[in-house]
Amino acid sequence: AQKITQTQPGMFVQEKEAVTLDCTYDTSDQSYGLFWYKQPSSGEMIFLIYQGSYDEQNATEGRYSLNFQKARKSANLVISASQLGDSAMYFCAMREADSGYSTLTFGKGTMLLVSP
Amino acid sequence: AAGVIQSPRHLIKEKRETATLKCYPIPRHDTVYWYQQGPGQDPQFLISFYEKMQSDKGSIPDRFSAQQFSDYHSELNMSSLELGDSALYFCASRVVGPNTEAFFGQGTRLTVV
Repeated sequence: AQKITQTQPGMFVQEKEAVTLDCTYDTSDQSYGLFWYKQPSSGEMIFLIYQGSYDEQNATEGRYSLNFQKARKSANLVISASQLGDSAMYFCAMREADSGYSTLTFGKGTMLLVSP
Repeated sequence: AAGVIQSPRHLIKEKRETATLKCYPIPRHDTVYWYQQGPGQDPQFLISFYEKMQSDKGSIPDRFSAQQFSDYHSELNMSSLELGDSALYFCASRVVGPNTEAFFGQGTRLTVV
């Protein structure tokens, strides 16, 4: 079974609008971390935001916020006030046994296109 | 601030050749990960090292090997290259512990012709 599911292959949004990128996850661990990374066309992988499984508050980093619904096992990324430079592939990822050296498992990604 | 450095950035090899990719993690990071990302794919975990010891192994072919050296840099060695090995290879590093993100290098784009 997929550990990370991103159901939206592509999303379109107009500049200055907010957009939500969906992510659901599957784990039996109690301690895990959820991450979002941005990959522009140049290829680098840019860390955006992190949510720990024990964090009670939703994570926020500037225009990025993570809508964490633990019971539903979802960790959606919300980008407020989209900018043209937000056009990129977005990956949701999970690290189980968060405090250890375990690796990240990525979803298939969502391509976001921001239009003027 | 220092980032993860990967070299080379681009590499073109012929089938059956060998390739060596290098990764220099962020100073004081104790864990290094290697990922392979095929065209249009999500990154797939290959192998990781914690304090210079192999800590986990993913879908790494037997033709590939990796090691981490005393100065913490890591090398991914790929032999008998196949066309299907063409991909973006990422190295990432982090400090083990909760709430710590992995920082990725810019990747090495390997093209096998």
